[in-house]
Amino acid sequence: RKEVEQDPGPFNVPEGATVAFNCTYSNSASQSFFWYRQDCRKEPKLLMSVYSSGNEDGRFTAQLNRASQYISLLIRDSKLSDSATYLCVVNSPHQAGTALIFGKGTTLSVSS
Amino acid sequence: DAMVIQNPRYQVTQFGKPVTLSCSQTLNHNVMYWYQQKSSQAPKLLFHYYDKDFNNEADTPDNFQSRRPNTSFCFLDIRSPGLGDAAMYLCATRKTGGNYGYTFGSGTRLTVV
Repeated sequence: RKEVEQDPGPFNVPEGATVAFNCTYSNSASQSFFWYRQDCRKEPKLLMSVYSSGNEDGRFTAQLNRASQYISLLIRDSKLSDSATYLCVVNSPHQAGTALIFGKGTTLSVSS
Repeated sequence: DAMVIQNPRYQVTQFGKPVTLSCSQTLNHNVMYWYQQKSSQAPKLLFHYYDKDFNNEADTPDNFQSRRPNTSFCFLDIRSPGLGDAAMYLCATRKTGGNYGYTFGSGTRLTVV
């Protein structure tokens, strides 16, 4: 079982749509959780951290369910500029410290 | 601005010819990571340095080596690149001891011809 699993998509949605991405992780000792955004041929960039209480940043809402080891990202009112790959990322205990473990990513394409 | 810099952004090397990718940071972060990301795949951790301590992933090929001569610099050496080593190589840093996030470099895209 992969450490972090995501539906790869692609998700093709019109502008203004609401879209949700899901992710599961296998290491119950994981400490922190993130969504990263990656544009084509660029490095991943932090979109937002994910907290157990749920958190919102503008049109983006992230949720964490530690019991189910499940993370979600909701994007409301999609924009063309939201087209990218969204990586679910988990910070897990690893050897001498911790390391980020990435999911494969979910591709979003927003069209006009 | 403090940042993580990877050089070069694009590297073309010949099959079997040793190549070195570099990463430097002005953040004084004590942990540095190297990830490999192939097309349409997740970034995969190759190894990391926790201060001077080198930590290798079990499935990182022997063909890949790393050096960290000081806090600021970390190098990825590929001794005999194969076609399957073509990928984006990402360097990331982190500071321990607090709620510090990871900082990524812009990556080096390696092509093997």
